[in-house]
Amino acid sequence: EAEVAQSPRYKITEKSQAVAFWCDPISGHATLYWYRQILGQGPELLVQFQDESVVDDSQLPKDRFSAERLKGVDSTLKIQPAELGDSAMYLCASSSRGANYGYTFGSGTRLTVV
Amino acid sequence: KNEVEQSPQNLTAQEGEFITINCSYSVGISALHWLQQHPGGGIVSLFMLSSGKKKHGRLIATINIQEKHSSLHITASHPRDSAVYICAVTGRGSTLGRLYFGRGTQLTVWP
Repeated sequence: EAEVAQSPRYKITEKSQAVAFWCDPISGHATLYWYRQILGQGPELLVQFQDESVVDDSQLPKDRFSAERLKGVDSTLKIQPAELGDSAMYLCASSSRGANYGYTFGSGTRLTVV
Repeated sequence: KNEVEQSPQNLTAQEGEFITINCSYSVGISALHWLQQHPGGGIVSLFMLSSGKKKHGRLIATINIQEKHSSLHITASHPRDSAVYICAVTGRGSTLGRLYFGRGTQLTVWP
């Protein structure tokens, strides 16, 4: 069964360092989402791509976060510099034509900033 | 105020019990999703529904559009059902597909 691949699975980084996460969606899925989930809460959207274009990054802290999907396939989310409050699960998801046609989530990257 | 509210926040059950998790939402929706998240963090989609009822094995999801309410039922619960169950909605008219999530219900089933 097709999966959304994410790496790394776990990441520990020191405050003020740079960190990057990678996501490879299901082949053919045009829509890609990055979510952040703080412990005990539901996921919150950081950025949404349609092919290579950003369609929603209103909740992305742009002073330190950046995301790209250069060829409309895999995507990278970067944080620089990392802060203690960035400790969370970062989830990637993809869908073929938007959430009404089904969603598939990756296993997530657990980030701990120390 | 969150667009999606779930209850209860935590639920403990004995193996075999019938379980119900509730979800209410405050916006017009085009679809509602029930998701399952295990301790490792990955999320699995259980159901996507926009009306009526769906069943998959021991899981049943219902939605009442007029009352803006959905329920997830687990019959004959088992310890392997222990997980966080999350309700999420896609807003009506949203062609972009963004999901709005509830905070989740932590279910623990004891043998």
